[in-house]
This record gives sequence, structure tokens and C-alpha cells, in this order.
Amino acid sequence: ETGVTQSPTHLIKTRGQQVTLRCSSQSGHNTVSWYQQALGQGPQFIFQYYREEENGRGNFPPRFSGLQFPNYSSELNVNALELDDSALYLCASSRNGDREEETQYFGPGTRLLVL
Amino acid sequence: AQRVTQPEKLLSVFKGAPVELKCNYSYSGSPELFWYVQYSRQRLQLLLRHISRESIKGFTADLNKGETSFHLKKPFAQEEDSAMYYCALSGSNSGYSTLTFGKGTMLLVSP
Repeated sequence: ETGVTQSPTHLIKTRGQQVTLRCSSQSGHNTVSWYQQALGQGPQFIFQYYREEENGRGNFPPRFSGLQFPNYSSELNVNALELDDSALYLCASSRNGDREEETQYFGPGTRLLVL
Repeated sequence: AQRVTQPEKLLSVFKGAPVELKCNYSYSGSPELFWYVQYSRQRLQLLLRHISRESIKGFTADLNKGETSFHLKKPFAQEEDSAMYYCALSGSNSGYSTLTFGKGTMLLVSP
């Protein structure tokens, strides 16, 4: 069984730029959730993708967007980067519709630094 | 709105001492509660979930709906328990489940 993977591991961008982060879900999982973890905070829910559509969204502006592909992998895109976007971005996969497997399993994260 | 509160940023104990990491939640429905752990340089991983009612690595947690708490306990702490612990609540809104995390408690176990 393959776990959740994310790329890249680290990224440095400047204000105003755009960034794309990638996530491959765990084998057998069909749902991907993205979280932002600022320094000293717990992860905060950004959005969730299921069947290639956004299934729910947290309190993040529209410049945070995403995609899910037929193989259930996912991308997180952030436009017009701001300094406050500097954080660890976590991807988690789960199997929607199966109560036992709705438990979310996390990837190692991508650390984004915006200068 | 759902909310998770972990009142302690840091908990420092000696090896062999009992440990209790506190977690309180706010949720209008019937919640699912989890504890996640992050060891140094490792990914966030599930420690236990309340519906399983199992003990993992000697840790247990009981959901107390009256006190809206889900405290994590271990009778005898080990040095390898040193890590960041996050309490999380899963609530189903509009057909999807999302996790709401507390800010986390750092557990340091000294020899």
C-alpha cells in the first residue's frame, strides 16, 4: 500500500507569484483534502476534492484553487501569493462513503516560503 | 461552528509519570474525535479515534459528551512519546467530512 506523497518538499516564491503543489493519494482512496499549517498552529482546512469536484471549502479566498484528476491525485494552486501564505501545506487522502476509511491520512507536506 | 481547544502549548513530564493531554470541543452534532501525533521530522499520523475505542502505544482517550472533552491519557510516559499532539474533530457538513484541529500540545518526556 502506497502512502500519501507530496511534491515539492520545499518551495520559495516571491509576493505576487503563483504556485502549484501536488499530491498523490493513498492507494484505494478517492478523496483529497488540503490543509494549511502556519507556524505554531494546527492545520486549517482549505478544501476537499471528491470525484474531481470541490466537495467543500474552508475560509480561504478564491485565489486558492484546486484540481483532482481521474487517478485521484490533486493539485493546490495559489495565485497572487502574499507573505502570510508562508506555511506548511498538507494533503490528506481518505475514502469517501466508507465510514471506517473516512479517516484522513496525511502526506509529509510542502513547506512554502513567500518573500 | 466547530472548534477544538487544547489549552496547553507544552507539557513536560518525567519518564514513568502519568500524562494527560487535554482536549475540549464545540460541535452541535454528533462528533467524531481523533488524536493525531507528529514526531520530529515525521508526517502527521493518526494515533487513535474515539469510535475504535482502542489503546495505541499505551494511550487511551474517552469521549465525554457531557464535558465535551476527549482527553488523551497514558499511565507511564516514555521518552519516545515526546512529540506534538493534535486533537481533531470530524464534522459532516453538506455531505462532506472535514477535520478541525486544535493548536496542538508539545509533550516532552525527560529521562
